[in-house]
Amino acid sequence: GQNIDQPTEMTATEGAIVQINCTYQTSGFNGLFWYQQHAGEAPTFLSYNVLDGLEEKGRFSSFLSRSKGYSYLLLKELQMKDSASYLCAALDSNYQLIWGAGTKLIIKP
Amino acid sequence: GAVVSQHPSRVICKSGTSVKIECRSLDFQATTMFWYRQFPKQSLMLMATSNEGSKATYEQGVEKDKFLINHASLTLSTLTVTSAHPEDSSFYICSARTGDREQYFGPGTRLTVT
Repeated sequence: GQNIDQPTEMTATEGAIVQINCTYQTSGFNGLFWYQQHAGEAPTFLSYNVLDGLEEKGRFSSFLSRSKGYSYLLLKELQMKDSASYLCAALDSNYQLIWGAGTKLIIKP
Repeated sequence: GAVVSQHPSRVICKSGTSVKIECRSLDFQATTMFWYRQFPKQSLMLMATSNEGSKATYEQGVEKDKFLINHASLTLSTLTVTSAHPEDSSFYICSARTGDREQYFGPGTRLTVT
């Protein structure tokens, strides 16, 4: 079966760094997405990785290892507004998104 | 960037009535549109996938006669919740895709059935 695993909840301190991990098992693989979702709002796109390695985009970076079925989202210089759920989603061989349950990130002052 | 709109953003209806939610891709043609439902503190649940001009493909457990989807054009898909019940109260989100990759999400519709 197809499966995405990510932690349910994480807590971090303002100004610090946090890494949110995601492991996936899919029928075929065409890339890995990270989305941010604030409570009561729709998800917004953060990153897309299809090749191994680290993609950096400002305070946010995303890493992919296809051989390990593993990705992480790295958030630096955390701000209170980063408190949200972070959704990991893998694109399978049919180009359908398989969604993780999301990681709720709580930022403390 | 690609923009997807949804209307209405919030709707309250009485039990037994039907509600239509529209999803539009504003600046691109969407070959495929997706409808999701999200209950509080839960992840997105894919309800159905629709391609323009063809019948929607529903996920297991989603009643196709209750959740009617019409993808009439490359820029418009509608979801009609028929004979709504309080347990249908949820956050409904559409997304649109052109090509094979990224999905662009609409802002969502909060449905409350009283």
